Amino acid sequence: DAGITQSPRHKVTETGTPVTLRCHQTENHRYMYWYRQDPGHGLRLIHYSYGVKDTDKGEVSDGYSVSRSKTEDFLLTLESATSSQTSVYFCAISEGTLHNEQFFGPGTRLTVL
Amino acid sequence: GQSLEQPSEVTAVEGAIVQINCTYQTSGFYGLSWYQQHDGGAPTFLSYNALDGLEETGRFSSFLSRSDSYGYLLLQELQMKDSASYFCAPGNQGGKLIFGQGTELSVKP
Repeated sequence: DAGITQSPRHKVTETGTPVTLRCHQTENHRYMYWYRQDPGHGLRLIHYSYGVKDTDKGEVSDGYSVSRSKTEDFLLTLESATSSQTSVYFCAISEGTLHNEQFFGPGTRLTVL
Repeated sequence: GQSLEQPSEVTAVEGAIVQINCTYQTSGFYGLSWYQQHDGGAPTFLSYNALDGLEETGRFSSFLSRSDSYGYLLLQELQMKDSASYFCAPGNQGGKLIFGQGTELSVKP
């Protein structure tokens, strides 16, 4: 299995509080992605990174920001959590883009009350 | 624009063959990937087609027709452990994948 971990694995928070989710990899892969998964919507890309300090928006980026100061870490921040951000968040990594093989972390289940 | 269609549910019996179809529309299409996700787990990569034709990996095969924007995943000799959700994911050269809602496969004894 690819060395990719996410923390925390579960979190319950209140509306309006800031939340940061961490994705850590030991594979030295260049590309990292954050997705959210909700019933009826499948997986949707929030933000992605193609290198240290190089990030771009995905299809559902509103309300989220990311940072990547080191190859191995990709942080997802909800500046002010809302109930609509209750979801399961997956981080993924890939070595390159041509073959599009992404390895996913175990996920973080976030509940915003 | 972007669109992706695959059946929401498929049911089959152990030992049978099942085909999950996928039609897509995306700009800058580069290839079609398939992922499997068991309930409560993370998606895992199954196969990738960049060129037209069939790719075989054990009991699983995947097909792509670029001209028809169509692909399918073929699962043979179904086992109970194959019960999961299956996602087709067209990708572009930038490495971004588009995941649909997935197909939930139920394998019955």
